[in-house]
Amino acid sequence: GNSVTQMEGPVTLSEEAFLTINCTYTATGYPSLFWYVQYPGEGLQLLLKATKADDKGSNKGFEATYRKETTSFHLEKGSVQVSDSAVYFCALKGGGSTLGRLYFGRGTQLTVWP
Amino acid sequence: DAGVIQSPRHEVTEMGQEVTLRCKPISGHDYLFWYRQTMMRGLELLIYFNNNVPIDDSGMPEDRFSAKMPNASFSTLKIQPSEPRDSAVYFCASTPGQETQYFGPGTRLLVL
Repeated sequence: GNSVTQMEGPVTLSEEAFLTINCTYTATGYPSLFWYVQYPGEGLQLLLKATKADDKGSNKGFEATYRKETTSFHLEKGSVQVSDSAVYFCALKGGGSTLGRLYFGRGTQLTVWP
Repeated sequence: DAGVIQSPRHEVTEMGQEVTLRCKPISGHDYLFWYRQTMMRGLELLIYFNNNVPIDDSGMPEDRFSAKMPNASFSTLKIQPSEPRDSAVYFCASTPGQETQYFGPGTRLLVL
């Protein structure tokens, strides 16, 4: 079946530190992979995505590379800002499925201190 | 586009009362999802619809929960009777069948 495992939080960093949030997945077929972000008091919004192996998704300084050999999609940012404080969710959409359903990880809380 | 609209944004009710949450998806989107978010269980998919038809309701906790989508622009999630353990943030999301889901701002439900 389809499932996503992401690193437990919370993660606390100082401003300008390097960020990595690990995400691994189990899926049948060839899934598409996503990172969503949830700011306090808001709904989730798409941060970046990758639809096939070796693709790199990027947005707002965040990057993640679809690694089929390690079934991973780790989120990275070279220099975090206070405004990046949020909950980050890794998700997948199963390959071959046309039903639109996403499978989410548990979320990782990131807090960035000035 | 106004995005996914949910109402009410906050709801406080007493145990045993009926609660109705409402969602208006983005126009043209043919999939609609209801999620529940709690600290203990994270983000759970409750039910989703395609072209107003329920596709998978296996995430609905129990018979106290029901969801309807009478037309393409409106859906409800009803809890009757409500219990304190139903307290959570309920999100509605929609997608045009592609991969990006667009989430509403959520309804914060507190059952006393």
